[in-house]
Amino acid sequence: DADVTQTPRNRITKTGKRIMLECSQTKGHDRMYWYRQDPGLGLRLIYYSFDVKDINKGEISDGYSVSRQAQAKFSLSLESAIPNQTALYFCATSDFDRAETQYFGPGTRLLVL
Amino acid sequence: GDSVTQMEGPVTLSEEAFLTINCTYTATGYPSLFWYVQYPGEGLQLLLKATKADDKGSNKGFEATYRKETTSFHLEKGSVQVSDSAVYFCALSTSGYNKLIFGAGTRLAVHP
Repeated sequence: DADVTQTPRNRITKTGKRIMLECSQTKGHDRMYWYRQDPGLGLRLIYYSFDVKDINKGEISDGYSVSRQAQAKFSLSLESAIPNQTALYFCATSDFDRAETQYFGPGTRLLVL
Repeated sequence: GDSVTQMEGPVTLSEEAFLTINCTYTATGYPSLFWYVQYPGEGLQLLLKATKADDKGSNKGFEATYRKETTSFHLEKGSVQVSDSAVYFCALSTSGYNKLIFGAGTRLAVHP
């Protein structure tokens, strides 16, 4: 079984809709991250969490919110989706002791019409 | 701010050819440097890393040397295989923050 899972893997939604992307991990890591990937721009950090009570904005947090429901779960929400949020979204985790090595989920491909 | 610049792709090679993907960085302090690889339909995986100047990271025949004087971390492989076809990302992390800053990625296509 995969260590970092994301649901859904693909999603099509309409402008203005609320959508939630979910991430679960079985690695026992404290740290979790959400990134988006756009062609030619690499990955950009949206939010990160170093433990259940610690949530931090990343480079591009506007239009997004997150919830760390448990050590193993970290959800990303788009309160009112817009077309320029069409992207590939990745969740990642890292261990406190080896914090610089991140483990990525398979990604969620989101299309906002 | 900190940034990573890597060569644009796609890079197209024949099997057994030599590979170089250039990566340079700008950072305050002393970053750690990484190469991540993304195979089709998958998330990113750590390929190799180096945490201080002159360190060489290596894995699966790939190598990269942390060059502080040229602020570079170029990825090399002596003989590529079709299975190496993927997107390669150079990244840095500044000490204490554990946030990765990625380059734009370089797509490699290897043909038989």
